[in-house]
Amino acid sequence: DAKTTQPTSMDCAEGRAANLPCNHSTISGNEYVYWYRQIHSQGPQYIIHGLKNNETNEMASLIITEDRKSSTLILPHATLRDTAVYYCIVRVGDSGGSNYKLTFGKGTLLTVNP
Amino acid sequence: DTEVTQTPKHLVMGMTNKKSLKCEQHMGHRAMYWYKQKAKKPPELMFVYSYEKLSINESVPSRFSPECPNSSLLNLHLHALQPEDSALYLCASSQYITGGPGEAFFGQGTRLTVV
Repeated sequence: DAKTTQPTSMDCAEGRAANLPCNHSTISGNEYVYWYRQIHSQGPQYIIHGLKNNETNEMASLIITEDRKSSTLILPHATLRDTAVYYCIVRVGDSGGSNYKLTFGKGTLLTVNP
Repeated sequence: DTEVTQTPKHLVMGMTNKKSLKCEQHMGHRAMYWYKQKAKKPPELMFVYSYEKLSINESVPSRFSPECPNSSLLNLHLHALQPEDSALYLCASSQYITGGPGEAFFGQGTRLTVV
C-alpha cells in the first residue's frame, strides 16, 4: 500500500470548516483513499473513501486532486466532538483476502476549539 | 446492527496467566482483524482472517494465538505475555464488496495490562 504524509496536528475553530490534507504521491491506479478517525480511547471510525472522484456523505467531503497524489478531507462545520486523530489510508481496491490490509499511519490530531 | 462487540473492556493479567479476548459481529462480514495500539501510537495490524481462515499474520509472537471459530466470532488467546504487551487491543470487521474494500467497523477495544 502507498505511503501517506499528514500534518502532525491542526487546530480549527468550532463552526468553521476543517480541511485536513493528505499527501499520497506514490498512489497507484487501483488504490483507494480512505479516511478514518479515532476519538480518544475509542475504536477508529470510518469516515469516507474515494478513488478519483470527489465524494460527500453526511459526515464529510473528500476532494482528490486530478493526479491523485493528494487529497483533502473537509468537515464542513466542525464541532468539539470532532476533536480526534484523523487517519488517511490508501489501499488496494481488489476484494482478495490476502490483500485486505488496513494499515494506519501517524495521522493528524485535529483539535476543535470553542 | 453495525456493532463490533469486544469483551472484556479491561483485563489485568499476570505473566504466567492464560486469558482470551473475544470479538463478535453480526453484520455478515467475512474479514476480521486484530490490532494492537500503544498509547499515542496508531493501531498496528496483527492478524487478518478471511472467510474464517488466517490470511495475514504480521509476524506476531506466538504468545498471541488467534482463533476464528465461526464467521461471527474472533478470539485472541494470550499466554505468557510480557509487560510491554500492555496495550489497547482492537477488533474490526469488514465485508468484501465489488469495486473496493468495504469500510471497516471497529470495536471499542480491550485495555490489557500485563503485570
